Amino acid sequence: SQKIEQNSEALNIQEGKTATLTCNYTNYSPAYLQWYRQDPGRGPVFLLLIRENEKEKRKERLKVTFDTTLKQSLFHITASQPADSATYLCALAGTGANNLFFGTGTRLTVIP
Amino acid sequence: GAGVSQSPSNKVTEKGKDVELRCDPISGHTALYWYRQSLGQGLEFLIYFQGNSAPDKSGLPSDRFSAERTGGSVSTLTIQRTQQEDSAVYLCASSLFVPSYYLQETQYFGPGTRLLVL
Repeated sequence: SQKIEQNSEALNIQEGKTATLTCNYTNYSPAYLQWYRQDPGRGPVFLLLIRENEKEKRKERLKVTFDTTLKQSLFHITASQPADSATYLCALAGTGANNLFFGTGTRLTVIP
Repeated sequence: GAGVSQSPSNKVTEKGKDVELRCDPISGHTALYWYRQSLGQGLEFLIYFQGNSAPDKSGLPSDRFSAERTGGSVSTLTIQRTQQEDSAVYLCASSLFVPSYYLQETQYFGPGTRLLVL
């Protein structure tokens, strides 16, 4: 069956360090993968999209990699700040491209 | 401009009652999605509307769940004879038309409706 796993439920890091979050999937062949941020009581907010033919995508302090051989995406936040504390979700396109399949998320806490 | 809005923000109901959840998508977005997020679970796709096409209902968990979209804009998700396991946050998202499998538009989410079935 199809499965999306995010490396850990919670991750604590010190301010200024790089946070690395992992998304692994099985039984998918997604054309693209997305990362979202979700704050408590809010809906997810889109951050980055990376396509299957792209190895890396950057946006300000964010970097996403996509390895279709390993079936894995890594999400990095450099120079992390307490304001980066949130839950981060990865999402893959369904085969019909009509919907996204989401992981359960990793709750990141950046400690001042 | 205005984002996706949902109402009510919170709903408490008794088991067996029907509930209606409303979603107002971003103006001009022809695609609309409903998801459900339970505690400790990922977002679960429920249903997708695209323009005047027949909706993709493949994610609806039972026939107690239904949704409609009037005039290509506002959508209502209805849960009949609610059960305690229906308690969750129901999220709506909208996006521009998706022309092909390889071209995806960002989904913009509303704040969700928190449903508690007692």
